[in-house]
Amino acid sequence: DVQLVESGGDLVQPGRSLRLSCTTTGFTFAAYPMGWFRQPPGKGLEWVGFIRSKTYGGTADYAASVQGRFTISRDDSKSVAFLQMHSLSTEDTAVYYCVSAPSFTHGYSIAGYYRGRGTLVTVSS
Amino acid sequence: EIVLTQSPGTLSLSPGERATLSCRASQIVSSTAFAWYQQKPGQAPSLVIYLTSNRAPGVPDRFSASGSGTEFTLTISRLEPEDFAVYYCQQYADSPSTFGQGTRLEIK
Repeated sequence: DVQLVESGGDLVQPGRSLRLSCTTTGFTFAAYPMGWFRQPPGKGLEWVGFIRSKTYGGTADYAASVQGRFTISRDDSKSVAFLQMHSLSTEDTAVYYCVSAPSFTHGYSIAGYYRGRGTLVTVSS
Repeated sequence: EIVLTQSPGTLSLSPGERATLSCRASQIVSSTAFAWYQQKPGQAPSLVIYLTSNRAPGVPDRFSASGSGTEFTLTISRLEPEDFAVYYCQQYADSPSTFGQGTRLEIK
């Protein structure tokens, strides 16, 4: 069974940093792109970004709202993806979901064919 | 970026009825990379459709979808009680990926 488990969500002050992890099992992690969505409380879904597999360069793309502040990375040896977040603001408060998808579903980026249950990040003073 | 506008915002129907949810893009979506999600209260969103018209594993065949260009549609042929939820569309054909604001499908 494919599993994605997010961790690292916490209450942080504005301006601080936080790193989320997405630990995976059940698929060949190194061959898959990994992405992140988020959902502010009571609101809709927002794309954060994704990272390609190393076969496709291992590069990442981001939403404009997080570009320059957030970095997605991956450790293929441990089947873990990361979302490093800097300069957090209250607008970053959300449940963050880790996602991935097999190649037959791909577009420029990915849909959430596989996804975790989410981890809550609260930015507040 | 491509802005997705879903309509209606809320759809009130009865079990057994047909539901048609729309998603309009602000510019042409360059490929078939379009998805629909279902989200029930307190749960993570679940993929219903990928690549415009392909049902995700476990999704019943009363769900169908189509579209191209700027107009995409999700249809539920005969609503079951478990289908009442919020539905989101997503385009992942162009960078950055974007979501619609959601359609709430509620029991009439």
